[in-house]
Amino acid sequence: GAVVSQHPSRVICKSGTSVKIECRSLDFQATTMFWYRQFPKQSLMLMATSNEGSKATYEQGVEKDKFLINHASLTLSTLTVTSAHPEDSSFYICSARDFRTASTYEQYFGPGTRLTVT
Amino acid sequence: AQSVSQHNHHVILSEAASLELGCNYSYGGTVNLFWYVQYPGQHLQLLLKYFSGDPLVKGIKGFEAEFIKSKFSFNLRKPSVQWSDTAEYFCAVNARGNAGNMLTFGGGTRLMVKP
Repeated sequence: GAVVSQHPSRVICKSGTSVKIECRSLDFQATTMFWYRQFPKQSLMLMATSNEGSKATYEQGVEKDKFLINHASLTLSTLTVTSAHPEDSSFYICSARDFRTASTYEQYFGPGTRLTVT
Repeated sequence: AQSVSQHNHHVILSEAASLELGCNYSYGGTVNLFWYVQYPGQHLQLLLKYFSGDPLVKGIKGFEAEFIKSKFSFNLRKPSVQWSDTAEYFCAVNARGNAGNMLTFGGGTRLMVKP
């Protein structure tokens, strides 16, 4: 149980284009999903917290107009990197909290999406 | 705001050696504490967690961690490591009651176990 998937696993795009990454909770409902960015050999940095049906909360320094987050259902959140630049190349990871166990604060992580902008 | 520090960035051990990875956090209030593991090419998996009660928590694969409140520490231990424990280990903290219930991660410790 508690499986989170991400699609695509890898994507290469040209500078200036937009890329959408999907995060799905496969066997549970997630009222809250989180988006992280992980640079090579570094830790995860929280980008934003996404609550179903409401606007995402972005961490300081994260451009909300560049990283569009939509959490339209209890099992799906999307991250769209708009007008991508090479410096946006990174590993993007989502996580989700099962609303049934929300009090435990545990997050289940997706496998990540490696974005390369050329 | 809370912060998490992991003192060892890289650890190399031989099989059967004992392991202890340090984790310290800075936050004055009540916290939930986690250790996650990321095997090569795989996603983050929960090793163990502490919310309350017995400060010595046992996780999967023979790992355990001890919460020492006075030291703001949550060190991860394993008596005898195996080659398959080669991975990156992340300590994470959630400050109880913060609005987004966000996790703050430490910088990670890359463990290599030599066969």
